[in-house]
Amino acid sequence: AQSVAQPEDQVNVAEGNPLTVKCTYSVSGNPYLFWYVQYPNRGLQFLLKYITGDNLVKGSYGFEAEFNKSQTSFHLKKPSALVSDSALYFCAVRGMNTGFQKLVFGTGTRLLVSP
Amino acid sequence: DSGVTQTPKHLITATGQRVTLRCSPRSGDLSVYWYQQSLDQGLQFLIQYYNGEERAKGNILERFSAQQFPDLHSELNLSSLELGDSALYFCASSTEIVDEQYFGPGTRLTVT
Repeated sequence: AQSVAQPEDQVNVAEGNPLTVKCTYSVSGNPYLFWYVQYPNRGLQFLLKYITGDNLVKGSYGFEAEFNKSQTSFHLKKPSALVSDSALYFCAVRGMNTGFQKLVFGTGTRLLVSP
Repeated sequence: DSGVTQTPKHLITATGQRVTLRCSPRSGDLSVYWYQQSLDQGLQFLIQYYNGEERAKGNILERFSAQQFPDLHSELNLSSLELGDSALYFCASSTEIVDEQYFGPGTRLTVT
């Protein structure tokens, strides 16, 4: 069965500092990996995805994520955090096997960027 | 704006009642997904439709049902509502099943 772990409920970082939000996954075969962000009282917004190719994926709003197959991780990163990045971040995974495989979401990590 | 619309934004109803949530996917998207988000359960996949046909079921209760119409909009029907059904219900759509999903703003259901 597919699963995603986001080990930190909350990440605190000062504005201008680099940020990392951690995600590890478990899936049969190769994974499709996604990051979404949720602002208060809003739906989830797609940030970036990894399907295949370069391990470093660039996405919206200056975010990037690094796929590490050996560590089964897909950490979200940003070189310089903004206060406006404060939100709830979800990692998600689905397998590449044929047939439907649902997108499984992690429990979310709240990012708090202080001025 | 994701291009996915959901109505209504808020819904307050009593236990035992039935409600219908509506979703219009992004133009061109054939797949529609329904999710429930609650504080204790997190984000749970309920059901998926592709071009009018049910493709997969997740943690959807028997009291809940959904359908996707020929114009590709979808409705989620919740019946015999219980207090525990209070949650945010999201619809998402994608062009193909393997693509990223785009989420609507959600419907906040409160059962009193």
